[in-house]
Amino acid sequence: QKEVEQNSGPLSVPEGAIASLNCTYSDRGSQSFFWYRQYSGKSPELIMSIYSNGDKEDGRFTAQLNKASQYVSLLIRDSQPSDSATYLCAVTGAGSYQLTFGKGTKLSVIP
Amino acid sequence: NAGVTQTPKFQVLKTGQSMTLQCAQDMNHNSMYWYRQDPGMGLRLIYYSASEGTTDKGEVPNGYNVSRLNKREFSLRLESAAPSQTSVYFCASSGGGESPLHFGNGTRLTVT
Repeated sequence: QKEVEQNSGPLSVPEGAIASLNCTYSDRGSQSFFWYRQYSGKSPELIMSIYSNGDKEDGRFTAQLNKASQYVSLLIRDSQPSDSATYLCAVTGAGSYQLTFGKGTKLSVIP
Repeated sequence: NAGVTQTPKFQVLKTGQSMTLQCAQDMNHNSMYWYRQDPGMGLRLIYYSASEGTTDKGEVPNGYNVSRLNKREFSLRLESAAPSQTSVYFCASSGGGESPLHFGNGTRLTVT
């Protein structure tokens, strides 16, 4: 059974701070990694995708991947109240393009 | 650009009733998916269609059937609804391979 683990939170950070969201996965052969943001009552929307070890930056968002440690993270710099949402980590399995989702981490940015 | 469109947005059923959730995408994607999302359980894959003419079971297929009507449309049918099927259902599509998923707005289903 492929597993994707995230701290459920809530994670509270003050406005302007860096929010750090973490995800571990069980399938060592996983190749593709995604972060989705989901506002309450809305559908998930893609924030970042990352496929190789290292960092990938897009605006205020940085995804970090360490396949040896089976760990992927999302950093949000200069956090804003509008970043308050649940963040879902999603991972493909070895030899498969099906996504397994974590249960999500709820982020609250305090003004 | 509509993306992925789901209907209906809300539905209340009585135990034993049947219904079909409709999904259509206009992004020319090959792959389409049905997920359910429950509190504390995250998103779980019900069925998927890697390409037109094919469908496969996901993690939680029991009690559901699907039809890939054409490249654009992928429907989910509940033949005899049960309270355990109360959930939010999301349809998604992707270009296949490592392409990310694009989600519809969801259907909130309550079975009493």
